[in-house]
Amino acid sequence: RKEVEQDPGPFNVPEGATVAFNCTYSNSASQSFFWYRQDCRKEPKLLMSVYSSGNEDGRFTAQLNRASQYISLLIRDSKLSDSATYLCVVYSPASGAGSYQLTFGKGTKVWVIP
Amino acid sequence: EAQVTQNPRYLITVTGKKLTVTCSQNMNHEYMSWYRQDPGLGLRQIYYSMNVEVTDKGDVPEGYKVSRKEKRNFPLILESPSPNQTSLYFCASSLSTSGQPQHFGDGTRLSIL
Repeated sequence: RKEVEQDPGPFNVPEGATVAFNCTYSNSASQSFFWYRQDCRKEPKLLMSVYSSGNEDGRFTAQLNRASQYISLLIRDSKLSDSATYLCVVYSPASGAGSYQLTFGKGTKVWVIP
Repeated sequence: EAQVTQNPRYLITVTGKKLTVTCSQNMNHEYMSWYRQDPGLGLRQIYYSMNVEVTDKGDVPEGYKVSRKEKRNFPLILESPSPNQTSLYFCASSLSTSGQPQHFGDGTRLSIL
């Protein structure tokens, strides 16, 4: 099983609709989780951190399910500008005291269509 | 403005001609990293550095070298570039290695002919 897996999509979402997608991780000791957004040929940009209790930032909601080892991202009232690739990032403890391994998912493509 | 700066943004060169991609951050971050991104393969880590004079191999280090003589700079060196190193490269930095989010540079598109 790959360390971090995402459905590559694309998710074609009508403008104004809600879309949600997951990212599964294999290391149960993983400790920190983030969602990034990447536009075509641009750098990834931090969208939001994912906290144990779940968190919301405007139209975006991130959830963490430790029991099933996945994080999710939900986008409400989708805008055309939400079209992008969404990358999940998982930090897991690595060998060496205090060091962490950072693993990126390959991303989920979202197209918001008028 | 807090940023990670990579140069050049675009480069077309030929096999075997040594090149260096510079990366500089102005946020006093300890952790810096280089990635390459290829279609279907996602972001793969090449090398990372947890602090000055401390560097480690990532997932795909072959054909690359790095150095971290100063905290702010983390250049990526291709001693003898080959066509399979044609890719989009990103430098990133974070405050520390303990689960802090990474800040990315704008990317460098390298084409090796």
